[in-house]
Amino acid sequence: EPEVTQTPSHQVTQMGQEVILRCVPISNHLYFYWYRQILGQKVEFLVSFYNNEISEKSEIFDDQFSVERPDGSNFTLKIRSTKLEDSAMYFCASIGTWGLYGYTFGSGTRLTVV
Amino acid sequence: GESVGLHLPTLSVQEGDNSIINCAYSNSASDYFIWYKQESGKGPQFIIDIRSNMDKRQGQRVTVLLNKTVKHLSLQIAATQPGDSAVYFCAENSGNTPLVFGKGTRLSVIA
Repeated sequence: EPEVTQTPSHQVTQMGQEVILRCVPISNHLYFYWYRQILGQKVEFLVSFYNNEISEKSEIFDDQFSVERPDGSNFTLKIRSTKLEDSAMYFCASIGTWGLYGYTFGSGTRLTVV
Repeated sequence: GESVGLHLPTLSVQEGDNSIINCAYSNSASDYFIWYKQESGKGPQFIIDIRSNMDKRQGQRVTVLLNKTVKHLSLQIAATQPGDSAVYFCAENSGNTPLVFGKGTRLSVIA
């Protein structure tokens, strides 16, 4: 069964450092998402990406965040200057067609900012 | 703002019993609903979905019920097994908006 792959599974970084979280969506999917989940809380939408541009973003997705699809297969989330409150699980998801099926999520990257 | 929420944060059931997990939503424009299962250290896993033109949909051991009148969604798991222990989230969207998740219910199956 096709999977969404995320790397690394766990990232520890110093406050103020830049991090890049990587995702390989399902190959024939067209819509890509980043969500985050602070420990014990609900999954929150960050950003959606389609046709090589951001289609929607939440209030959480401020100027410190950016997304990129550098090579047609990878989909990255960059946090320029991490804060303690950025510590969370970050999930990548993809979907082939709007509303046909639920999003397929990756296993996530646990980001710990110290 | 509009949101999706859950009535019960935790649910403990005996193995073999049926489980019912509930979810309330407030966006009357929502037309697509999904239940996800999340095991520890993993991403949300799709269980079952339902569109607003239906009120019931069945899968393998799972049934989703949608009551649009009271904006209520439920997930029924038949003959609950230890492997069903996880956090369950409802999620919804309308049209092409991103999925909005509820807070989650932890299901614990007692052997």
